[in-house]
Amino acid sequence: GAGVSQSPSNKVTEKGKDVELRCDPISGHTALYWYRQSLGQGLEFLIYFQGNSAPDKSGLPSDRFSAERTGGSVSTLTIQRTQQEDSAVYLCASSLAAVSMNTEAFFGQGTRLTVV
Amino acid sequence: GNSVTQMEGPVTLSEEAFLTINCTYTATGYPSLFWYVQYPGEGLQLLLKATKADDKGSNKGFEATYRKETTSFHLEKGSVQVSDSAVYFCALSGRGGFQKLVFGTGTRLLVSP
Repeated sequence: GAGVSQSPSNKVTEKGKDVELRCDPISGHTALYWYRQSLGQGLEFLIYFQGNSAPDKSGLPSDRFSAERTGGSVSTLTIQRTQQEDSAVYLCASSLAAVSMNTEAFFGQGTRLTVV
Repeated sequence: GNSVTQMEGPVTLSEEAFLTINCTYTATGYPSLFWYVQYPGEGLQLLLKATKADDKGSNKGFEATYRKETTSFHLEKGSVQVSDSAVYFCALSGRGGFQKLVFGTGTRLLVSP
């Protein structure tokens, strides 16, 4: 597609339920990132996929969070047993290769998750 | 680890005023520095970048100079417009292998006519 697409754009869920957030990166981009944007805080890195390499999961805040990327394209971020502190905007980005001085990351519009 | 500190907002200006949004960083080595902008209802997009000391990034009338001696990358614009109202994020990425983007907290700019 023309840009990074995320769905849903908004999600309201009850505490304790599981949610899945989807990201469609730009076609041909091998690198995919998930970030979380909480009110009053910066963008928090969650996880990074690069080609067929093992993902960098160092930013996932707890074992309730997981992500996968199927076929090197679409990615799904899953949050199990959601808590109110999970409420945030979840952003996905993709780039041709790992972010560097010569590579730009393109962001989707995000999924706003509200846990009630 | 690497970190970015930017001034808190909101910054409220009248049209044609001069803008400065301060950004300082902590990093090992020589990171690449970025400013991203998030317009209302849109995703983050790269505004400008600088990859080595004394480089000046510029775009849409915005400028920022990579100052290694002060570890700063302040964003400036000589004359802001209402359409510049957005949230601005300073970010850095280290060098070598995968280096994730590390963002500041963002600064909201509000420009009134």
